[in-house]
Amino acid sequence: DAGVIQSPRHEVTEMGQEVTLRCKPISGHNSLFWYRQTMMRGLELLIYFNNNVPIDDSGMPEDRFSAKMPNASFSTLKIQPSEPRDSAVYFCASSEYASNSPLHFGNGTRLTVT
Amino acid sequence: AQRVTQPEKLLSVFKGAPVELKCNYSYSGSPELFWYVQYSRQRLQLLLRHISRESIKGFTADLNKGETSFHLKKPFAQEEDSAMYYCALGGSNYKLTFGKGTLLTVNP
Repeated sequence: DAGVIQSPRHEVTEMGQEVTLRCKPISGHNSLFWYRQTMMRGLELLIYFNNNVPIDDSGMPEDRFSAKMPNASFSTLKIQPSEPRDSAVYFCASSEYASNSPLHFGNGTRLTVT
Repeated sequence: AQRVTQPEKLLSVFKGAPVELKCNYSYSGSPELFWYVQYSRQRLQLLLRHISRESIKGFTADLNKGETSFHLKKPFAQEEDSAMYYCALGGSNYKLTFGKGTLLTVNP
């Protein structure tokens, strides 16, 4: 298994533009998480899906952020419009079960908004 | 509320020296603790979890409920141990709360 696959690895965009980050979880994993990593705040959970259904999006910072999981093998995190303070590394992770199973992380997407 | 504190952002030791990365947590229920590691240019990965009570790459961690700590230890550090280490807390819900991480540098 190739593990959790994220794309793109790097994204540079201008303020106001729409950004879409993509994630392919490990086959058979039914839980998917989006995290944001910054120097100031560390790793923050943005949203969690279980069996493709968003369970908790309380970590999503603003309405500018949205996430979808149309099927078990694909998820997107969208920022529209993007702002410089959104610059961070965004990680996707999946696990077999929801409760305290080890997380398998992707390589992350480094987003820079100028 | 779940909270994880890693008091040291940076930790530098010499090869062969003992190393201890500190982690304290706050949680009212029965915690599950993990250590994740991120080597340079690699993805974040699980190093060990307290319920396994195992040693991985020479690292051990003991859950001390009295002190609410889960410190990561290794008696003799190696250069390849240089990485970012994150302590994580899982509770009765699905949320895994991470500390802010400690960057360990092992000098030759």
